[in-house]
Amino acid sequence: QITLRESGPTLVKPTQTLTLTCTFSGFSLNTSPMGVAWIRQTPGKALEWLGLIYWEDDEGIRPYLQRRRTITKDISKNQVVLTVTNVDPADTGTYYCARTAHYLDSSGILDFWGQGTLVTVSS
Amino acid sequence: DIQMTQSPSSLSTSLGDRVTITCRASQGIRNDVAWYQQKPGKPPKRLIYAASNLQSGVPSRFSGSGSGTEFTLTISSLQPEDFATYYCLQHNLYPWTFGQGTKVELK
Repeated sequence: QITLRESGPTLVKPTQTLTLTCTFSGFSLNTSPMGVAWIRQTPGKALEWLGLIYWEDDEGIRPYLQRRRTITKDISKNQVVLTVTNVDPADTGTYYCARTAHYLDSSGILDFWGQGTLVTVSS
Repeated sequence: DIQMTQSPSSLSTSLGDRVTITCRASQGIRNDVAWYQQKPGKPPKRLIYAASNLQSGVPSRFSGSGSGTEFTLTISSLQPEDFATYYCLQHNLYPWTFGQGTKVELK
C-alpha cells in the first residue's frame, strides 16, 4: 500500500524559510524509476507543480523561474523535503506531495497523493 | 511554459447528462496528459493517464481522448458522486502544468 503524508508549519512569516517534509511508504526512492513531486494549490484552487526529485537526483528538478525552492531526499527515512526561502503571502496554499514513477506508459505520473498541508504566510 | 487552457471553467448539469471537458495545450504534447477529480477537502484523484487510459478502479463512464494539442474528458452519464472539480495535467515538458479546473455542479 502506497501512502504519503506532508508535515510542517501551518503559519510562516514573510521572508522566513518554509520547510515541508513528505514521509512516504510502499515504495523506495532509491529504486528506478521512482520520484516524488510537490504541488501547491492556492486558495483560488489553482494547482501549481513546484518540482520533483527522482531516485537518481541529488537535488530536485526546479522550475526555471523559481530559484527559491529546493527539493532533497533522505532515503533512509523515506522522506522528501521541500524548502522555500524568502516566502511571501503568494506562497500561501495547500501543499501536496505525490508519487511519480517514470514508467514508459506514463501509468505512474502523479498517481498517489498525500492529504496535503495548509500553509499560511502572514505576519 | 506550456499553457493548458481548460474549458469550461464551470458547468451546471443534471444527473444522467453527458459531460465533456476540454484542455488545449499551447504546443504539441503527444499524449502526455492526465485527468484528475477533486472533491472539497481532498487531494486530486487520478482518473485518466496517457490521455485515454482509465485508472484502475475508476468507473467506465469516464473516458479520455486526444493527442497533440487537444484533449477531452467525457463522463457518459453523470452520477451524484461525480459533482467535483476536474483538472488536466501535462507532463510532456518541465515545468508540468495544470489546467485551471472545471467545476461540475448540479443544475
